[in-house]
Amino acid sequence: NAGVTQTPKFRVLKTGQSMTLLCAQDMNHEYMYWYRQDPGMGLRLIHYSVGEGTTAKGEVPDGYNVSRLKKQNFLLGLESAAPSQTSVYFCASRPGGDKGEQFFGPGTRLTVL
Amino acid sequence: AQSVAQPEDQVNVAEGNPLTVKCTYSVSGNPYLFWYVQYPNRGLQFLLKYITGDNLVKGSYGFEAEFNKSQTSFHLKKPSALVSDSALYFCAVRYSGGTYKYIFGTGTRLKVLA
Repeated sequence: NAGVTQTPKFRVLKTGQSMTLLCAQDMNHEYMYWYRQDPGMGLRLIHYSVGEGTTAKGEVPDGYNVSRLKKQNFLLGLESAAPSQTSVYFCASRPGGDKGEQFFGPGTRLTVL
Repeated sequence: AQSVAQPEDQVNVAEGNPLTVKCTYSVSGNPYLFWYVQYPNRGLQFLLKYITGDNLVKGSYGFEAEFNKSQTSFHLKKPSALVSDSALYFCAVRYSGGTYKYIFGTGTRLKVLA
């Protein structure tokens, strides 16, 4: 199993450009999450999904949109990138039920100039 | 409000000495507590979790953590530190109140000195 994979690994955008980050998991997990990691701030939840076709806002959703059309994929979109969105983005998934831990992808390092 | 605190930004320990990385939490309901480790340029890896039962939880790579309900703490420990343990450690909590969200601490950088 590949686990949780993220595409791309690195990206540089100009202000105002758009892009989509792809997260894929091959563990048949129900729940998927997008986080951003910034120095001194830990991980902050952007959006999450509790199943195919469902999404919900996390702690810092502004400027981002998500979609979960297939159970194994969770896409994070930036419609008009801003320098404040420069960060490392992590995707995670976990199985259904109440007690499981999350499995994380390797991250995407995004720089917005 | 639900929260997790890791009061130390960095912990330095000599190789072979015991290590402790602190975590305290504030949640309503029963907490589910987790520790993750992050090596440079990598994603987070699961170390251990407390769900219920024995307050002392054993995890990967010789790490363990003790759940203390009265002090609302879940400190990570290891009897003998290795240089290879040097990494960023995150405590996380979620509560059994129906939400699917996890709350992460700000992380503690552990540096094990040879």
